[in-house]
Amino acid sequence: GAGVSQSPSNKVTEKGKDVELRCDPISGHTALYWYRQSLGQGLEFLIYFQGNSAPDKSGLPSDRFSAERTGGSVSTLTIQRTQQEDSAVYLCASSRSGTAYEQYFGPGTRLTVT
Amino acid sequence: KNQVEQSPQSLIILEGKNCTLQCNYTVSPFSNLRWYKQDTGRGPVSLTIMTFSENTKSNGRYTATLDADTKQSSLHITASQLSDSASYICVVGTYNNNDMRFGAGTRLTVKP
Repeated sequence: GAGVSQSPSNKVTEKGKDVELRCDPISGHTALYWYRQSLGQGLEFLIYFQGNSAPDKSGLPSDRFSAERTGGSVSTLTIQRTQQEDSAVYLCASSRSGTAYEQYFGPGTRLTVT
Repeated sequence: KNQVEQSPQSLIILEGKNCTLQCNYTVSPFSNLRWYKQDTGRGPVSLTIMTFSENTKSNGRYTATLDADTKQSSLHITASQLSDSASYICVVGTYNNNDMRFGAGTRLTVKP
């Protein structure tokens, strides 16, 4: 079946603009994660959705970052008033349930803030 | 300080040779340890998952080991191929439902 998809694959934006990144998880997966990977750095956890539970937002670096998941499926990560340090690859992953299950990653969205 | 440390940071080997990547962690309480392969420009792909009771797991030419007492894991790649060139990421999970700690990865380059 189809894997995790993300769009756009690349996004270039000017400093101060808002951006929205989209993630389509694998059908039936109740858990969805957003990560950020800066150049040469490890993966940084941002936010986690599990079913209808309140999302874990503990990894969001600032209040400029927010995410929602509509209907328990598609998720959107929004970055307001982008800064140059927001430039990174944003990866989405989904799994059948919590972290005990295999996470399947999307190809990522490369965000460049100029 | 990162709770998952990987070494070496980067490694260059010749095609056909073996190599071993290391992962040391301080994450507690330990639940599972995963190794991922990430090709340039792609998302990570799982290679192995090990729980506390497992000390070795293989996936083709990839063999992961786990010593939960010393909190060390290794990923051994046998008879390397050019397609093995990638970053290898060690991820340690805890029993907290969403607490996973990622290593910075080892960048492997296999040369002909």
